[in-house]
Amino acid sequence: DVKVTQSSRYLVKRTGEKVFLECVQDMDHENMFWYRQDPGLGLRLIYFSYDVKMKEKGDIPEGYSVSREKKERFSLILESASTNQTSMYLCASSLLSNQPQHFGDGTRLSIL
Amino acid sequence: EDQVTQSPEALRLQEGESSSLNCSYTVSGLRGLFWYRQDPGKGPEFLFTLYSAGEEKEKERLKATLTKKESFLHITAPKPEDSATYLCAAAGSARQLTFGSGTQLTVLP
Repeated sequence: DVKVTQSSRYLVKRTGEKVFLECVQDMDHENMFWYRQDPGLGLRLIYFSYDVKMKEKGDIPEGYSVSREKKERFSLILESASTNQTSMYLCASSLLSNQPQHFGDGTRLSIL
Repeated sequence: EDQVTQSPEALRLQEGESSSLNCSYTVSGLRGLFWYRQDPGKGPEFLFTLYSAGEEKEKERLKATLTKKESFLHITAPKPEDSATYLCAAAGSARQLTFGSGTQLTVLP
């Protein structure tokens, strides 16, 4: 079974802090994704990566950056956290773009 | 632009009352249609992949079907533990999936 592990289930940070969310997958998947999910807005893609050191912007990249130094690890960075970034953050991975994405359990991030 | 629309937004069923959830898609060159189940506070759990019109997949009380314009998730004799949000997603020409907004299913005992 595919395992996607997100480093924290719950996280509380202050406005202006630099925040790191980590995601690790154990299936040698090429593609990795970061989403946020808010009530009434569904899943929104922030960034994705189809190879090590490669990244592409999703639908809502503003205020975020990503890093993929190793194939199994994909990090989401909030450069200067703001209260409107309070959300559930979900990481996913897939082997190919026409195959299902497998999700982690999410990180519920609160910015105070 | 690829689009995926799910209906209804919410559905309440009595235990044992069968029904279907709809996923309509407008995708250039469909390369896969996926169904997920999501429980509150957790990530989506993968259920099915469908690749071509006419294909069907089944798991316990769930059956997914695909036509050239839509997919259905049929739920037969549901139980309260089937209560969840069901998401569908389509793979088109882009590297990323296009997700629908989900159907929130509640099964009452």
